Amino acid sequence: DIQMTQSPSSLSASIGDRVTITCRASQSISTYLQWYQQKPGKAPKLLIYDASSLQSGVPSRFTGSGSGTDFTLTISSLQPEDFATYYCQQSYSTPELTFGGGTKVEIK
Amino acid sequence: EVQLVESGGGLVQPGGSLRLSCAASGFTFSNYDMHWVRQTTGKGLEWVSVIGTAGDTYYSGSVKGRFTISRENAKNSLYLQMNSLRAEDTAVYFCARDVGTVTNRFDPWGQGTLVTVSS
Repeated sequence: DIQMTQSPSSLSASIGDRVTITCRASQSISTYLQWYQQKPGKAPKLLIYDASSLQSGVPSRFTGSGSGTDFTLTISSLQPEDFATYYCQQSYSTPELTFGGGTKVEIK
Repeated sequence: EVQLVESGGGLVQPGGSLRLSCAASGFTFSNYDMHWVRQTTGKGLEWVSVIGTAGDTYYSGSVKGRFTISRENAKNSLYLQMNSLRAEDTAVYFCARDVGTVTNRFDPWGQGTLVTVSS
């Protein structure tokens, strides 16, 4: 299985901060990488697909980048509704899809 | 509105069985691959199984031989039959629609149903 490692596992940030989350794959996955946002008690929500494509309806302050083994999710200006846990997911080794361990974004 | 609603979770003893259901609405169910993904506190999100539009099925190694995914397009429903349940199967189970054209991406997900395996 392809292992996905996210860092940091948690971070504290203030409203308006620029936030960057990293996801590293154990082997090259091209750009077959998605990002999801999950709030407590809710289902994950798709934010970014194919490493850098913004899902319809998702605010433009969310951007994804990277290819190969290293990927980033950036929130350009953190908003109150962005406090959540973020997960990456690889779809290179279909159907054995795997997720990162998550990054919890908390209020500073 | 595209919506997925899971049901069927609950408390079951080790070795027992449970059948999860996922009711889909707001889209042409038969046109999409459908997945089950589970979430535990300790291991995070784990892909479980997928069923294609043609009925082809795949499973993760941890559930292969014990779980069976199926679909009933006439009822816009997805199922997961879980047998020989173990404590490590305790999780919230989500169904999810696959909207990827080349690769797999999930949108939307259902709200999840909790399965607890304990004596």
